[in-house]
Amino acid sequence: AQKVTQAQTEISVVEKEDVTLDCVYETRDTTYYLFWYKQPPSGELVFLIRRNSFDEQNEISGRYSWNFQKSTSSFNFTITASQVVDSAVYFCALSRNNDMRFGAGTRLTVKP
Amino acid sequence: DTGVSQNPRHKITKRGQNVTFRCDPISEHNRLYWYRQTLGQGPEFLTYFQNEAQLEKSRLLSDRFSAERPKGSFSTLEIQRTEQGDSAMYLCASSSRGGFGELFFGEGSRLTVL
Repeated sequence: AQKVTQAQTEISVVEKEDVTLDCVYETRDTTYYLFWYKQPPSGELVFLIRRNSFDEQNEISGRYSWNFQKSTSSFNFTITASQVVDSAVYFCALSRNNDMRFGAGTRLTVKP
Repeated sequence: DTGVSQNPRHKITKRGQNVTFRCDPISEHNRLYWYRQTLGQGPEFLTYFQNEAQLEKSRLLSDRFSAERPKGSFSTLEIQRTEQGDSAMYLCASSSRGGFGELFFGEGSRLTVL
């Protein structure tokens, strides 16, 4: 069975704080992909990153960074120096073949 | 316009009526997906097309739901005899890659069943 758990329902931070969004997944497959999407108030899901199960290298893109640890089945997302525009719901997703499963999302509010 | 387009953006209907949503994917994308999202939840997979062939359907897709992609371009999702439990955001996504590719989502069609 495939499952994605985002235990943090809501997080609130003050601008410029760093924040980490947790994602834990379950799968029996050896080949799979993990994703993060952002859903701003407008509603459209925006792709942020894709990581395959064989690549545990962490990735940094500007203020965003991702930490993939297969040993703990986690794929956490950190925003450094958060900004008000980062306020959104963030979804972690797990995909095998054409079946992409999403977590319930974490609502991040960044206050000025 | 190069994004995924969905319409109508919002539909209010009475229980028992039929509704149809349309999705226009990114033009070069051969894969098209429908998801449903309810408040406070992540998107749930409904069905998937590769070109005009519907290759997968979720158990969530009851007999009242039908999706088509007649010429491998746009797709329609029809819900017959709507129920209040059908109220949700219906999201369409497209992809050009294989099964592990990122999905590009539209803004969704919100259905409210009274």
